[in-house]
Amino acid sequence: EDQVTQSPEALRLQEGESSSLNCSYTVSGLRGLFWYRQDPGKGPEFLFTLYSAGEEKEKERLKATLTKKESFLHITAPKPEDSATYLCAWGYSGGYQKVTFGTGTKLQVIP
Amino acid sequence: GAVVSQHPSWVICKSGTSVKIECRSLDFQATTMFWYRQFPKQSLMLMATSNEGSKATYEQGVEKDKFLINHASLTLSTLTVTSAHPEDSSFYICSAPTSGTDTQYFGPGTRLTVL
Repeated sequence: EDQVTQSPEALRLQEGESSSLNCSYTVSGLRGLFWYRQDPGKGPEFLFTLYSAGEEKEKERLKATLTKKESFLHITAPKPEDSATYLCAWGYSGGYQKVTFGTGTKLQVIP
Repeated sequence: GAVVSQHPSWVICKSGTSVKIECRSLDFQATTMFWYRQFPKQSLMLMATSNEGSKATYEQGVEKDKFLINHASLTLSTLTVTSAHPEDSSFYICSAPTSGTDTQYFGPGTRLTVL
């Protein structure tokens, strides 16, 4: 059975304290692995798409990486405005653009 | 680019009434749109795939007669919650992929409260 697990469920960091969020998956025929950021009461905001193991993408303080079993979202020197819930999602071959979301990691960055 | 809007942002209705939520792609055309539901402190759950010019495809357990979807044009999909009940209260979010990509762009969501 296809499964995606995000950890930790919640993470509290001091401003400037770097860390990583994990998204592990067992998906046959993975078509793409997506990272989104969601602020309370808003729709998800697209961050990254990763397609193959070894691929990396960066945007400001965020860097996403992908292996055959998991994806990491690295946050370097976070700021309070990085506080949000980070969601990973996966698409699968034959799913025609459909994606399934993980449960998310709620990040709080304290000044 | 790739902006998706939703209307209304929030709606309060009485039990038994119907509510229509609009999802528009503002700067691109979308033959496919997706509708999600999100309960408090939970992740997004896909409800249905909206297809322009054809019937929507519903996920297992989603009542097609209760959640009517119409993809009227390449930029507009609507979700109508019929005979709404308090348990339908939730955050409804739509998304659309840009042509030829897997990346979905999400609307801001609609908060539905059924009294």
